[in-house]
Amino acid sequence: AQKVTQAQTEISVVEKEDVTLDCVYETRDTTYYLFWYKQPPSGELVFLIRRNSFDEQNEISGRYSWNFQKSTSSFNFTITASQVVDSAVYFCALNDRDDKIIFGKGTRLHILP
Amino acid sequence: DSGVTQTPKHLITATGQRVTLRCSPRSGDLSVYWYQQSLDQGLQFLIQYYNGEERAKGNILERFSAQQFPDLHSELNLSSLELGDSALYFCASSVVDRGEAFFGQGTRLTVV
Repeated sequence: AQKVTQAQTEISVVEKEDVTLDCVYETRDTTYYLFWYKQPPSGELVFLIRRNSFDEQNEISGRYSWNFQKSTSSFNFTITASQVVDSAVYFCALNDRDDKIIFGKGTRLHILP
Repeated sequence: DSGVTQTPKHLITATGQRVTLRCSPRSGDLSVYWYQQSLDQGLQFLIQYYNGEERAKGNILERFSAQQFPDLHSELNLSSLELGDSALYFCASSVVDRGEAFFGQGTRLTVV
C-alpha cells in the first residue's frame, strides 16, 4: 500500500541556517511520482516539485534542493540559508498506479528571525 | 494564483444540512482531485475524476458525492452534515494523469 512518512512534525531553525525536511515513501510500483508542496500561513497549497521514479538526479532551484534516493525510498528537501518567508507546512506526496496523490502528515517549519 | 477556482471560500451551515462545493480547474486540465484537510487528519484524498469519469476513490464517506461535468468543472456534495465534517476542502487539477496538481484556495466549511 502507498504510504508517505514525514517523521519531523515540527522544526524550528534560526534564519540563515540550512534545514532538511525528510520524506520516506512506500509503494509496490516501479513507476511513481513524488511531490513537495508548501502551505504557508495563508492556507493555499503551492506546488514545488514533481519527480518521477526513473529520474534520480538531484534538483536545485535557488535555495531549494531535493535529494531523491530510491535505495532508501527517500525524497528529502533542503532549504539553504533559510528565510522567515520559508515558514510554512511542507508536504511530501506520492502518486503511483492508483492515481491518488497521497500526502504525508506534513512538517511545520518555523524560521526564527 | 494557481488558476484553480473554488467557490465559496467560506461556508457556515448547520448539522444535517447539505452543501455543494464547486471547483473550476485550470484551463486544459482534465483531472480533478478533491481533498479534505482537518487538523487531526491532515490532507485526506477523497476522489479523483479524469475527463468526466471517476478515476480513483479514497475514504470518501457515503454522505459525500462528487461529479465532473462536460465543461470539466467539478462539484463536491456533502449531505447530512456533522460537526466533524468541518474542514478545509481543496480541489486540485492537473493536465495529465500523475502530473503535478495545482490547488485552489480551498473552501472552509464550518458545521455548527
